[in-house]
Amino acid sequence: KNQVEQSPQSLIILEGKNCTLQCNYTVSPFSNLRWYKQDTGRGPVSLTIMTFSENTKSNGRYTATLDADTKQSSLHITASQLSDSASYICVVSAGDKLIFGTGTRLQVFP
Amino acid sequence: DGGITQSPKYLFRKEGQNVTLSCEQNLNHDAMYWYRQDPGQGLRLIYYSQIVNDFQKGDIAEGYSVSREKKESFPLTVTSAQKNPTAFYLCASSMPQGKTGWNSPLHFGNGTRLTVT
Repeated sequence: KNQVEQSPQSLIILEGKNCTLQCNYTVSPFSNLRWYKQDTGRGPVSLTIMTFSENTKSNGRYTATLDADTKQSSLHITASQLSDSASYICVVSAGDKLIFGTGTRLQVFP
Repeated sequence: DGGITQSPKYLFRKEGQNVTLSCEQNLNHDAMYWYRQDPGQGLRLIYYSQIVNDFQKGDIAEGYSVSREKKESFPLTVTSAQKNPTAFYLCASSMPQGKTGWNSPLHFGNGTRLTVT
């Protein structure tokens, strides 16, 4: 069964600290992996899309990694800001389908 | 400024009534999608359309209907047959997906929160 699991479910950090969110998937066939940021009450916004051959991809303070062998991805946020408070959703493309994770809820406090 | 507009942001309806959610895009995208988001669950695909006048059922199409008469518009009707219609509905668009799968990024609207009592 195609599945995308994210951990932790929720996370609280202080402003300025770094954090790492995890995504494990069991999806076949694999096309690409995406990370989205969703602010409360808003639609998701794309952060990165990674294909099979890409190990690392950065978008400002966000860095995504992909290990296709272990079927794991991580999203690292550096020097967190209050505006990073959001849900982060991992999405894996499996052939003609997109499989969505349930997200990690990140709260950044001053 | 290109984007996707969903309206209204909040919608309240009585059980048994049909309701239509609006989705308009000016990104010149061929493909449009409707997703449903419930607490603790990943987004689930309701319907999608790759081209005008054509649309396909997604994973949870029962109780929903759509039309695609214009490239820019993809309205979703939640019918009285939908057993649990209260949810956050998201519309998205993208360039056409390749034959090998979903390779184009999705652009989402800001959603409509539907509450049915």
